[in-house]
Amino acid sequence: DGGITQSPKYLFRKEGQNVTLSCEQNLNHDAMYWYRQDPGQGLRLIYYSQIVNDFQKGDIAEGYSVSREKKESFPLTVTSAQKNPTAFYLCASSGVGYNEQFFGPGTRLTVL
Amino acid sequence: GQQLNQSPQSMFIQEGEDVSMNCTSSSIFNTWLWYKQDPGEGPVLLIALYKAGELTSNGRLTAQFGITRKDSFLNISASIPSDVGIYFCAGLLRAGANNLFFGTGTRLTVIP
Repeated sequence: DGGITQSPKYLFRKEGQNVTLSCEQNLNHDAMYWYRQDPGQGLRLIYYSQIVNDFQKGDIAEGYSVSREKKESFPLTVTSAQKNPTAFYLCASSGVGYNEQFFGPGTRLTVL
Repeated sequence: GQQLNQSPQSMFIQEGEDVSMNCTSSSIFNTWLWYKQDPGEGPVLLIALYKAGELTSNGRLTAQFGITRKDSFLNISASIPSDVGIYFCAGLLRAGANNLFFGTGTRLTVIP
């Protein structure tokens, strides 16, 4: 089955620790994205990547970092510099034209 | 970032009723997308709209790209219990843009 997978589904970390969220897609999509969702709000773009080894900051990139070493993978690291990291994190990808974005199931991060 | 005003914020309807929700912006959008999100899951793309005035259906769902290009509408006919969830509008300012702007969502509750 083609799709986007995110792991883990739930993640708990202590304050001050970095944590890396996984995102993998087998849709052969060029572009991948990370969004953050807070309760009662829409999604906000953290980082995006259009091709391997290239990525750009979104609206709320501070305290996050990414890498894109393979087309299929776009991991997100939430660093200790992120002041309010507890949130639902969503990964998405899109193909040629980049208009329609398809989402993974999400990772809920809770920082204690 | 761009503000997408989505209304209503929540709706409580009886099973079998029709539903209407809309999304407005102060900017002109090139593409409008409608997503549905179940609790704890990633958004699922329902309908994509690319031309002003376009009317597109997906089963009981119908969406329209407003002629001013600053708004979009989603209608659900003959609602059923599985329609429960949060519906998000999202827009792209230009074709191929990477930043998908999201509305704050409409939470739909269907009473059997």
